[in-house]
Amino acid sequence: AQSVTQLDSQVPVFEEAPVELRCNYSSSVSVYLFWYVQYPNQGLQLLLKYLSGSTLVKSINGFEAEFNKSQTSFHLRKPSVHISDTAEYFCAVSAAYGQNFVFGPGTRLSVLP
Amino acid sequence: DSGVTQTPKHLITATGQRVTLRCSPRSGDLSVYWYQQSLDQGLQFLIHYYNGEERAKGNILERFSAQQFPDLHSELNLSSLELGDSALYFCASSVSGENTGELFFGEGSRLTVL
Repeated sequence: AQSVTQLDSQVPVFEEAPVELRCNYSSSVSVYLFWYVQYPNQGLQLLLKYLSGSTLVKSINGFEAEFNKSQTSFHLRKPSVHISDTAEYFCAVSAAYGQNFVFGPGTRLSVLP
Repeated sequence: DSGVTQTPKHLITATGQRVTLRCSPRSGDLSVYWYQQSLDQGLQFLIHYYNGEERAKGNILERFSAQQFPDLHSELNLSSLELGDSALYFCASSVSGENTGELFFGEGSRLTVL
C-alpha cells in the first residue's frame, strides 16, 4: 500500500516570495506522483504530474516539482507566489500497477499581501 | 468547470437516515472515483468503478454502497447515518481505468448529519 505525508498543514508566505510545499511518500512498488490544488468551494484540479522521464515537471502557472526517488519526495516549489495561489495543495500517489490514488492530508498555502 | 456534476450540493439529514449522492462523469470518461473529505481524516478514497464494474475499494464502510449505471453515472448510498459521516463527498472521473491519468473532480456534495 502507498501513503503520502505532507508535513506542513499550513504555510503562510508573503506575495512574491518563494515557497516550497513538502511531500514524501512510501511505497514498495514504482509510483506515479501528482499535485492537485483546491481553491475555496471548488473540487480539486490537477496541477502537475510525474509518470516517467525527466524528474523535474512544471505547471503552466509557474509551479514545479522534482521527483527524488532516493528521498521518496516530490516537493512543490514556486519562485514567486501571487495572492491567487492561495489554496489547499494535495500531493497524491498511485502505484504503477494499482487501481487507486492516495492523497496526502493537504497543505494550506496562504499568500499574504 | 471540470465537467463532473454532483448532486445535491448540500444535504442536511438526521442520524439513522439514508441518503443518495449522485455523480455524472465528464462525457467520455469511463472511470468514477468516490472520495470523502473531512477535517480530521483528509481526503479518503472510498471506491472506484470502471465502465460499470467495481475496480477498487478503499476505506468504505459497510453502511455505504455505490454503483455505476450503464449510462456511466454513479450513485453513492449512505445508510444508518452517524454524526461522523458529516463530510464533503467528492466524485472524480477519468478517461480510463488506469492510474496515470488526470482525475477531474466535481464540486462535491456536503453532507451534514444532525
